[in-house]
Amino acid sequence: AQSVAQPEDQVNVAEGNPLTVKCTYSVSGNPYLFWYVQYPNRGLQFLLKYITGDNLVKGSYGFEAEFNKSQTSFHLKKPSALVSDSALYFCAVIRSSASKIIFGSGTRLSIRP
Amino acid sequence: DTEVTQTPKHLVMGMTNKKSLKCEQHMGHRAMYWYKQKAKKPPELMFVYSYEKLSINESVPSRFSPECPNSSLLNLHLHALQPEDSALYLCASSPLTSGSSYNEQFFGPGTRLTVL
Repeated sequence: AQSVAQPEDQVNVAEGNPLTVKCTYSVSGNPYLFWYVQYPNRGLQFLLKYITGDNLVKGSYGFEAEFNKSQTSFHLKKPSALVSDSALYFCAVIRSSASKIIFGSGTRLSIRP
Repeated sequence: DTEVTQTPKHLVMGMTNKKSLKCEQHMGHRAMYWYKQKAKKPPELMFVYSYEKLSINESVPSRFSPECPNSSLLNLHLHALQPEDSALYLCASSPLTSGSSYNEQFFGPGTRLTVL
């Protein structure tokens, strides 16, 4: 069965510091990996995805993610955090032959001024 | 137009009421989805429509009845709901192309449903 894990419920970072939100996946076959962000009382917004090719994927709002096949990870990163980055972040996976997206449990990112 | 709209934003209903949630997109996407999201939890897939036909039903109780009248609209009809059905209901859409399982989904802002 395919699954995705976000080991941290909450990540706290000072503004201007780099941030990392962790994600590991388990899927048979080639994975399609996604990051979404959710602001309070809003729907999810797509940030970036990995399909194939370069392991470093760049996305919206200065975020990037690194696909690591040997560690089955897809961590979200940003070099310099902003207070406005504070939100709930979901990692998600789709098996290449499937159509159903599986979300991780979510990580709440809090950026302090 | 690159957004998914949902109405109403908020809905309060009694357990005997019948109501409907509406979702609309004009991006030409031929896959549309309903999700249920409880507070601080990930979205849970309920239904998937592909080319206006129901393709996935995640064993959702029959008190939830989806409908896709055309390629731009998706409805969720509600009847005899329970208080535990209170949640944020999200609609999403995505393109359907060859190898489409890697297309990202576009989400609406959701309808906050409270069942009394």
